[in-house]
Amino acid sequence: DAGVIQSPRHEVTEMGQEVTLRCKPISGHNSLFWYRQTMMRGLELLIYFNNNVPIDDSGMPEDRFSAKMPNASFSTLKIQPSEPRDSAVYFCASSLVREQFFGPGTRLTVL
Amino acid sequence: TQLLEQSPQFLSIQEGENLTVYCNSSSVFSSLQWYRQEPGEGPVLLVTVVTGGEVKKLKRLTFQFGDARKDSSLHITAAQPGDTGLYLCAVGVKTSYDKVIFGPGTSLSVIP
Repeated sequence: DAGVIQSPRHEVTEMGQEVTLRCKPISGHNSLFWYRQTMMRGLELLIYFNNNVPIDDSGMPEDRFSAKMPNASFSTLKIQPSEPRDSAVYFCASSLVREQFFGPGTRLTVL
Repeated sequence: TQLLEQSPQFLSIQEGENLTVYCNSSSVFSSLQWYRQEPGEGPVLLVTVVTGGEVKKLKRLTFQFGDARKDSSLHITAAQPGDTGLYLCAVGVKTSYDKVIFGPGTSLSVIP
């Protein structure tokens, strides 16, 4: 099992640009989570899907953030337009029964 | 206010020392998890405790769930540099089977 796959691992972009982060969950897992981690705020849940349906997006900071899960094996998190305060490590995790398996994360730097 | 508090926030110790880190809340939980996050990686689940007073051991790590199911501790015996990382506690959300809320974490550094 390859585990949760995220791409890219690192992204450097300029303020105002669109950023798309990608995630492939573990096959058979029915829940997918997007998190953001910073030193100041720790690990924050952004949005949570169950069976490809968004269940809880209360953690999405603002309308600049959007997430989709078109099928059980792929999800994207998009930031448009990006701002320097969006700089963080973004994690995708999947689960079947409460235990969450995290991907390696995408380190995003917005200049 | 944070649902979960963890202490200490940072801990730096010498190899071979023992340590305990804590996870506290004013709420009662049906279960609590501990994750470890190594530098540059995502968190990895270490253990889930579900019964008040429960003690679980994982090699040199001992986890305890408080009798009232509001708090938990993680004790490491004879710490090694490989134990370095961020230790996160997490609890489930009643209204969601899979969603968990993470504490702020304890950052542990074990110096050789």
